[in-house]
Amino acid sequence: DSGVTQTPKHLITATGQRVTLRCSPRSGDLSVYWYQQSLDQGLQFLIQYYNGEERAKGNILERFSAQQFPDLHSELNLSSLELGDSALYFCASSPSTGAEAFFGQGTRLTVV
Amino acid sequence: GQSLEQPSEVTAVEGAIVQINCTYQTSGFYGLSWYQQHDGGAPTFLSYNALDGLEETGRFSSFLSRSDSYGYLLLQELQMKDSASYFCAVNSGGYQKVTFGTGTKLQVIP
Repeated sequence: DSGVTQTPKHLITATGQRVTLRCSPRSGDLSVYWYQQSLDQGLQFLIQYYNGEERAKGNILERFSAQQFPDLHSELNLSSLELGDSALYFCASSPSTGAEAFFGQGTRLTVV
Repeated sequence: GQSLEQPSEVTAVEGAIVQINCTYQTSGFYGLSWYQQHDGGAPTFLSYNALDGLEETGRFSSFLSRSDSYGYLLLQELQMKDSASYFCAVNSGGYQKVTFGTGTKLQVIP
């Protein structure tokens, strides 16, 4: 158990809909990262938050947004969903040193 | 920006040694990490190199050459359970942004 909790584990929704993925980082970790992994693909960095503030942005679509709350949990919002958004979405957290990132078990999103 | 290159697939025999290479280009560099991911699972941390040289952790070792922007993961005494994808990742930026390579799928065969 990495200590990072993601909910829900599975999500099936229709095209055009909006969903929210939630992540609770390890206790004390200030950095939260979101990654997208499509079938048999690598990990695509989406966005990073550090202590509530956005610190780095990757290939995140404009239809996607995220935030980190004062209690350090984070949410990834995906809107106007398309079939191609079907993927595993991972959240990871790390302490301030960032040497090691701890991953949650992911949310498998299926858009039908 | 950041880019990392690693081979997409490697096949090795049980009991043998395999080396997975990673070259990177980054505007900032703090260290190189390696992660293992089994099918359907979450990536798990294996090792981290901030300085040049070899780090050994059991059957796994990781090497870094900062001047060559190059590192590798060495797996010894391969076991069937080592079949997985292996990602290198660069820690860069003032807030330790972590960027992953595309991963190397290792297949261990009997």
